[in-house]
Amino acid sequence: QKEVEQNSGPLSVPEGAIASLNCTYSDRVSQSFFWYRQYSGKSPELIMSIYSNGDKEDGRFTAQLNKASQYVSLLIRDSQPSDSATYLCAVNGFSDNQFYFGTGTSLTVIP
Amino acid sequence: EAGVTQFPSHSVIEKGQTVTLRCDPISGHDNLYWYRRVMGKEIKFLLHFVKESKQDESGMPNNRFLAERTGGTYSTLKVQPAELEDSGVYFCASSQARLSQETQYFGPGTRLLVL
Repeated sequence: QKEVEQNSGPLSVPEGAIASLNCTYSDRVSQSFFWYRQYSGKSPELIMSIYSNGDKEDGRFTAQLNKASQYVSLLIRDSQPSDSATYLCAVNGFSDNQFYFGTGTSLTVIP
Repeated sequence: EAGVTQFPSHSVIEKGQTVTLRCDPISGHDNLYWYRRVMGKEIKFLLHFVKESKQDESGMPNNRFLAERTGGTYSTLKVQPAELEDSGVYFCASSQARLSQETQYFGPGTRLLVL
């Protein structure tokens, strides 16, 4: 059983701070990792994808991947109230092309 | 470009009734996936179509669930007869190519409540 673990939160940070979201996964051969943001009642929306060890930056978002530790994280710099949402970590199974999701971390950015 | 659409957005039915959910993927996307999120749990895979063919249906809970994708365009997911434990949010996603790095684009989901 492939598992993806996230801290469900809620995580609260003040506006302008850095929000750090973490995710671990159990399947060592996973190749692709995705962070989705989901506002209540809306579609999960892709924020970042990462495939190689290290950091990947896109605007205020940085994804970090460490395959040896089976760990992927998302940093949100200069957090804004509009970043308040649930963040889903998804891992693509190498052999089956399914997405395996964590339960999501609820983030609240306090103005 | 239109995203993935799903219909209905909400459905409330009684135990034993039948419900059919519809998903329209992004135009040109051969891959279509169904997922389900039961309250408090993670989103879980149900099945995967490549065009009109079922590529993987290992996540389907039981034979009360039937998915079709006639013509390789939109897909339907029928639950018959519905049980209480079928309540949850049913998501559809689509992608263009069957690659492990391919992003899956999600629809808004259908919220199903079985009473």
